[in-house]
Amino acid sequence: QKEVEQNSGPLSVPEGAIASLNCTYSDRGSQSFFWYRQYSGKSPELIMFIYSNGDKEDGRFTAQLNKASQYVSLLIRDSQPSDSATYLCAVTPLLPGGYQKVTFGTGTKLQVIP
Amino acid sequence: DTAVSQTPKYLVTQMGNDKSIKCEQNLGHDTMYWYKQDSKKFLKIMFSYNNKELIINETVPNRFSPKSPDKAHLNLHINSLELGDSAVYFCASSQRDRGPWGTEAFFGQGTRLTVV
Repeated sequence: QKEVEQNSGPLSVPEGAIASLNCTYSDRGSQSFFWYRQYSGKSPELIMFIYSNGDKEDGRFTAQLNKASQYVSLLIRDSQPSDSATYLCAVTPLLPGGYQKVTFGTGTKLQVIP
Repeated sequence: DTAVSQTPKYLVTQMGNDKSIKCEQNLGHDTMYWYKQDSKKFLKIMFSYNNKELIINETVPNRFSPKSPDKAHLNLHINSLELGDSAVYFCASSQRDRGPWGTEAFFGQGTRLTVV
């Protein structure tokens, strides 16, 4: 079982719709959860992070975390063609000594259709 | 100012050669990583260093040898390159917290390695 799992997609949504991206993780000790966006040929860039159970909103983006279910999701409202990219879920389980290991899922490719 | 910079951006080389990729960060972070991204876009961690100390070594062939001369630099040397080494290699950095919360990783622009 992979440490962080995502549906690879592609997920196609029409412009203006809500895109819902999901991620599950295996390490119950994980404390920090991140969503990165990666455009083709570019490096990943952070768009959201969440530490506590519940929802966190930032503009058109909402991250949702459920630690009991080991599930984290990202909602993108009013999807735009410029949102078309691969979205990477990342989890930081703690290692002995307090060190962190930023572990990524396989990514979900999102296509927003104009 | 580039926060995490890698050189070179592209590297084309023949099988059996030895090559190095350099990475530098000016964010003052104490932790640096090497990731390999394959053709399916999976970002797999290879190594992590904290203040020049190797923290993570993820069952990477010993043809890969990271070196961290100081906490701002992490280089990757690859011996006897194989076709399967072709991928994009990303350097990243983050700041270790003493608390339970991790912090995000900042990535370099990547090095596209092609072994022919």
